[in-house]
Amino acid sequence: DQQVKQNSPSLSVQEGRISILNCDYTNSMFDYFLWYKKYPAEGPTFLISISSIKDKNEDGRFTVFLNKSAKHLSLHIVPSQPGDSAVYFCAASVGGSQGNLIFGKGTKLSVKP
Amino acid sequence: DAGITQSPRHKVTETGTPVTLRCHQTENHRYMYWYRQDPGHGLRLIHYSYGVKDTDKGEVSDGYSVSRSKTEDFLLTLESATSSQTSVYFCAISGRTSGSFASYEQYFGPGTRLTVT
Repeated sequence: DQQVKQNSPSLSVQEGRISILNCDYTNSMFDYFLWYKKYPAEGPTFLISISSIKDKNEDGRFTVFLNKSAKHLSLHIVPSQPGDSAVYFCAASVGGSQGNLIFGKGTKLSVKP
Repeated sequence: DAGITQSPRHKVTETGTPVTLRCHQTENHRYMYWYRQDPGHGLRLIHYSYGVKDTDKGEVSDGYSVSRSKTEDFLLTLESATSSQTSVYFCAISGRTSGSFASYEQYFGPGTRLTVT
């Protein structure tokens, strides 16, 4: 069973608008969450993270929100730019263990000019 | 960007042959990981290392072995390659220290595309 789910395989957004990427998880022991961006033929690039003691973390145009009661997190990109077009992976970790990451299957974001 | 290289970047091999992929880091990070990425599966952990000569299995370890004789190098070996091991393989590193949330991030190499015919 998938512990980290990204239910939208793709998302298309107009340049300048907000992109919202969603991620759900089932394991209540997860206490650290990350988002990665991946361009074709490149390795994933770390984008932003949040620990379970917070409900929001912001870095420039990127904000991650965590709703622990719903076991849901989202990544907001405002404003969206064509260069943001990539596959976005959500990942979760259980602290105190080796901290291995469990990844979702990814959401392909297309930002149209 | 973290100093991580993978070699080879592309490889085509025949079923039944052994294959070794290399990951090299210049960051002196303790933790190293091997993942595979397949359509519809995201990234799945194969094996990881938490120090020299210290390794453990991940989610999809069958048919793979690893070795880490130096901090900077982590080798992934397909003992007898099969077509189901056709994939893109990513190495990652982490400088994570116990109790430090800020260092749980993993940094990825550029990947190796392996085709088993």
